[in-house]
Amino acid sequence: SQKIEQNSEALNIQEGKTATLTCNYTNYSPAYLQWYRQDPGRGPVFLLLIRENEKEKRKERLKVTFDTTLKQSLFHITASQPADSATYLCALNSGYSTLTFGKGTMLLVSP
Amino acid sequence: NAGVMQNPRHLVRRRGQEARLRCSPMKGHSHVYWYRQLPEEGLKFMVYLQKENIIDESGMPKERFSAEFPKEGPSILRIQQVVRGDSAAYFCASSPVSEPNQPQHFGDGTRLSIL
Repeated sequence: SQKIEQNSEALNIQEGKTATLTCNYTNYSPAYLQWYRQDPGRGPVFLLLIRENEKEKRKERLKVTFDTTLKQSLFHITASQPADSATYLCALNSGYSTLTFGKGTMLLVSP
Repeated sequence: NAGVMQNPRHLVRRRGQEARLRCSPMKGHSHVYWYRQLPEEGLKFMVYLQKENIIDESGMPKERFSAEFPKEGPSILRIQQVVRGDSAAYFCASSPVSEPNQPQHFGDGTRLSIL
């Protein structure tokens, strides 16, 4: 069956460091992979989308990589700030436009 | 430029009652998706609708749950004869077109509690 796995343990890092979150998937051949941020009590907010033929995508302090051979995406936040503390969700297309989400990884950035 | 609006934000129902959750998509968006999120679980797709049509309901339980997106007005997710296991956060998302490379825009959800 199709699975998306994200590290269930919270990631604790210090302000200024780079946070790296992992998304692994099995039994998918996605053309696109998306990352979202979710704050407590709020809905997910779209951050980045990467295509299967793109190795890397950047947006300000965010960087996403997509390795279709390893079936893995890495999500990096450089120069992290306490305001980056949130849960980060990885999502893949399971239908033409419907998404399947991982459970998310909580990031805690301490000052 | 309002985003996706969901109401109510919190809904309390007793077992056996009906719950109606509403979602107004972003202006110009005609595609609506409903998801359910249980504590410690990820978002689970339920149903995908366009105006007046259900496109994909593969994630929605066959009984007690229904969804609509009428020509006028918000999309409605309806849960009849609610049970304790229906307690969850229900999120609605919208997109302007149905393409796999489109991000989805989410509302802040309705938190349903069943007494």
